[in-house]
Amino acid sequence: GAVVSQHPSRVICKSGTSVKIECRSLDFQATTMFWYRQFPKKSLMLMATSNEGSKATYEQGVEKDKFLINHASLTLSTLTVTSAHPEDSSFYICSASTSGSRIAYEQYFGPGTRLTVT
Amino acid sequence: SQQGEEDPQALSIQEGENATMNCSYKTSINNLQWYRQNSGRGLVHLILIRSNEREKHSGRLRVTLDTSKKSSSLLITASRAADTASYFCATGYSSASKIIFGSGTRLSIRP
Repeated sequence: GAVVSQHPSRVICKSGTSVKIECRSLDFQATTMFWYRQFPKKSLMLMATSNEGSKATYEQGVEKDKFLINHASLTLSTLTVTSAHPEDSSFYICSASTSGSRIAYEQYFGPGTRLTVT
Repeated sequence: SQQGEEDPQALSIQEGENATMNCSYKTSINNLQWYRQNSGRGLVHLILIRSNEREKHSGRLRVTLDTSKKSSSLLITASRAADTASYFCATGYSSASKIIFGSGTRLSIRP
């Protein structure tokens, strides 16, 4: 159980276009979802925390108008990179947690989405 | 930055040897977790240790936590080629809240 999927796994887009990444909890209800960004050979940097039905909380330095996060249901959160530029190229990973988790604080991670902006 | 520091940044050992990675953090925590990531892939949760625990075992993994020193270590015993990956510690601060990842250690196991 506790499977999180991401779609797409890889995406290449042209500079100036917008890209949407989906994060789904397949077999549980995710009350909270997190979005991370990872540069090559670097650690994961938390971008934002989203709770179902409310606005996301962004980490310092993350542009909320550029990285739009929607958590419309208990199984789906989306990250939209608007007007993407080459510097937005990165590995984006989501995770989900639930208030009903067997282990409090446990997050379940998706497999990641590799975004390349040309 | 809240991000923890891990050392070494990279570690290369012979198969069969033990690997030790260290993690230090800056503020008081509720729990500390260790994750593994194979190149370009998602994260695998390895073990969670709570702030009131000092040591935890899971198979070939042994994790220690010293809250007075704000540090943790991950020991992998009898390493295997399949253990080659990046290992990250992550600190949690309250129930169901965000976790902050450390800088990571790249572990290579030589056959």
